[in-house]
Amino acid sequence: EDQVTQSPEALRLQEGESSSLNCSYTVSGLRGLFWYRQDPGKGPEFLFTLYSAGEEKEKERLKATLTKKESFLHITAPKPEDSATYLCAVQAGGSQGNLIFGKGTKLSVKP
Amino acid sequence: DGGITQSPKYLFRKEGQNVTLSCEQNLNHDAMYWYRQDPGQGLRLIYYSQIVNDFQKGDIAEGYSVSREKKESFPLTGTSAQKNPTAFYLCASSNSGTGVNIQYFGAGTRLSVL
Repeated sequence: EDQVTQSPEALRLQEGESSSLNCSYTVSGLRGLFWYRQDPGKGPEFLFTLYSAGEEKEKERLKATLTKKESFLHITAPKPEDSATYLCAVQAGGSQGNLIFGKGTKLSVKP
Repeated sequence: DGGITQSPKYLFRKEGQNVTLSCEQNLNHDAMYWYRQDPGQGLRLIYYSQIVNDFQKGDIAEGYSVSREKKESFPLTGTSAQKNPTAFYLCASSNSGTGVNIQYFGAGTRLSVL
């Protein structure tokens, strides 16, 4: 069964304290792995798509990496405005574009 | 501005009443999706449509119905048979085809059953 597990469920950081969020997946033929950011009461905002193991993408303080079993979202020197829930999703081979989502990691960055 | 518009933002209904959530997109996307989000849960797929006049059930379709008469619109109706409808509902759209298609989301509708 295709599955996505994110850890930790919640993460509290001090401003400037770098860390990583984990997304482990089990999927039959990965077509793509997606990271989204979701602010409270809003829809998810697309961040990155990763397609193959070894791939990396960066955007400001965020860097996403991918291996054959997991993806990491590295946050370097976070700021309070980075506080949000980060969602990971995968698209399996043979799917009609449907995504399987993890439950998310809620990140809080304190000044 | 191109995007996905969901309305209303908040919706209250009494038990036993049907309710319709609106989703409109002007991104010229072929595919549209409805998800439900509950606290502590991942997004769960209710229905999806790859093309006009065609749609398929997702993982939790029971008690819901949809229509796709226009490319731009994909309304979701929750029927009186739907259990525990209180949740945050998200609509998304994407290009379709055999490639990897990024889904873009609307701002959501929060439905509360009184």
